[in-house]
Amino acid sequence: AQSVTQLDSQVPVFEEAPVELRCNYSSSVSVYLFWYVQYPNQGLQLLLKYLSGSTLVESINGFEAEFNKSQTSFHLRKPSVHISDTAEYFCAVSTGRQGAQKLVFGQGTRLTINP
Amino acid sequence: DTEVTQTPKHLVMGMTNKKSLKCEQHMGHRAMYWYKQKAKKPPELMFVYSYEKLSINESVPSRFSPECPNSSLLNLHLHALQPEDSALYLCASSPLALREMADTQYFGPGTRLTVL
Repeated sequence: AQSVTQLDSQVPVFEEAPVELRCNYSSSVSVYLFWYVQYPNQGLQLLLKYLSGSTLVESINGFEAEFNKSQTSFHLRKPSVHISDTAEYFCAVSTGRQGAQKLVFGQGTRLTINP
Repeated sequence: DTEVTQTPKHLVMGMTNKKSLKCEQHMGHRAMYWYKQKAKKPPELMFVYSYEKLSINESVPSRFSPECPNSSLLNLHLHALQPEDSALYLCASSPLALREMADTQYFGPGTRLTVL
C-alpha cells in the first residue's frame, strides 16, 4: 500500500521569500506523484505532476517539484512567493496501473504568506 | 477546458431529508469520483465510476447512493444523513486515457453540505 507524508502541517513565510513544502512517499511499486492546491473555500486544483521522464517538473505559476526516487521524495519549491499563494497544498500518489486509480493524499500543508 | 462543475455550492438539510448532489464534466472523461473532505483534512475517496459502472466503493454507508446516468454526469443521492456527514463533497473526473499510465484527476469546486 502507498502512503504519503507531508512533514509540515503549517509553513509561514514572508512575501518574496523562497519556500519548500516537503513530501515523502512510500510504495512497493512504481508511483506517479501530484501536487494539488486548495484555496480557501474552493476545490482542488492540479498544480503539477510527475509521470515519467525529467525528474524536475514545473507549474505555470512558478512552482516546481523534483522527484527523487532514492529519497522517495517529491518536494515542492518556489523561489519567491506571493500573498496569492496562501492556500492548502496536498501531495498525492497513485499507483502505476492503467484505469481509474485511487489517489492517496498527504495530510496537507497550509502555506501562509505574510506581508 | 479542464472544468468540472458541481451543484449546488451549498446545501443545508435535515436528517430526514432526501437531497442530491450533481456533478458534470464535458471533457470526455470516462472516470468520475466522489470524495468527502472534512475541515483541515485531505479528501477521502468514496466512490469511483469507470465507463459509467461503479468500480470502487470505499465501504460508504448506504445513506449515500451514487448514480452515473451517462458519461458526463454523476449524482450523489443523500438520505437520512447524520450531522457528522457535514463536509465538503468533491467530484473529480479523469480521462482513462489508455496510452497514459497515470490517470490525472481534475476536481470540481465542491458542495458544502451541512446536516442539521
